[in-house]
Amino acid sequence: EPEVTQTPSHQVTQMGQEVILRCVPISNHLYFYWYRQILGQKVEFLVSFYNNEISEKSEIFDDQFSVERPDGSNFTLKIRSTKLEDSAMYFCASQRLRGPNEKLFFGSGTQLSVL
Amino acid sequence: GQNIDQPTEMTATEGAIVQINCTYQTSGFNGLFWYQQHAGEAPTFLSYNVLDGLEEKGRFSSFLSRSKGYSYLLLKELQMKDSASYLCAVRRDNAGNMLTFGGGTRLMVKP
Repeated sequence: EPEVTQTPSHQVTQMGQEVILRCVPISNHLYFYWYRQILGQKVEFLVSFYNNEISEKSEIFDDQFSVERPDGSNFTLKIRSTKLEDSAMYFCASQRLRGPNEKLFFGSGTQLSVL
Repeated sequence: GQNIDQPTEMTATEGAIVQINCTYQTSGFNGLFWYQQHAGEAPTFLSYNVLDGLEEKGRFSSFLSRSKGYSYLLLKELQMKDSASYLCAVRRDNAGNMLTFGGGTRLMVKP
């Protein structure tokens, strides 16, 4: 079965540094998402992306965050100046179409640790 | 606010049946999803309900009552590999395809 792939699986960075998390969604999918899960807490929506623009974003997704689809396959999440509280597992997800029966496929995640 | 409530933990015996409940209060509703998540891994899709009633898929079934804001996931013939967190998530009709997740129910299956 096709899958969403994310790299790296683990990322350690110093506070204040920029990080870029990379995702390759399933090839015929059109809707892309980033979610995060702080250790022991619930999965939280960050942003959705369609047709090369952000369609929705949560209050977590502030000016420090940005997303980009630089080519036909990659979907990236950039955190401009990381904070300790950004430490979390970041999941990329994709969806083929927009509709009630369409399901979200998640990648295996990038564990971000900010020191 | 958006509230999705699930029990934090449950324990069941291998071979048994377990029901994991989820109640929700959200501004808008366009479907409820159940995902399974093993520790340190991505959530994987289990089931989806948008209309009232029971959806059965092998050993897993999910039920929805929209008027009560209530769903449950039923797992039959439990296996040790079913030990995982089970996440209830609601798609709100005014929020596109964004999912709002509950905190998850950690299920431990014992021999």
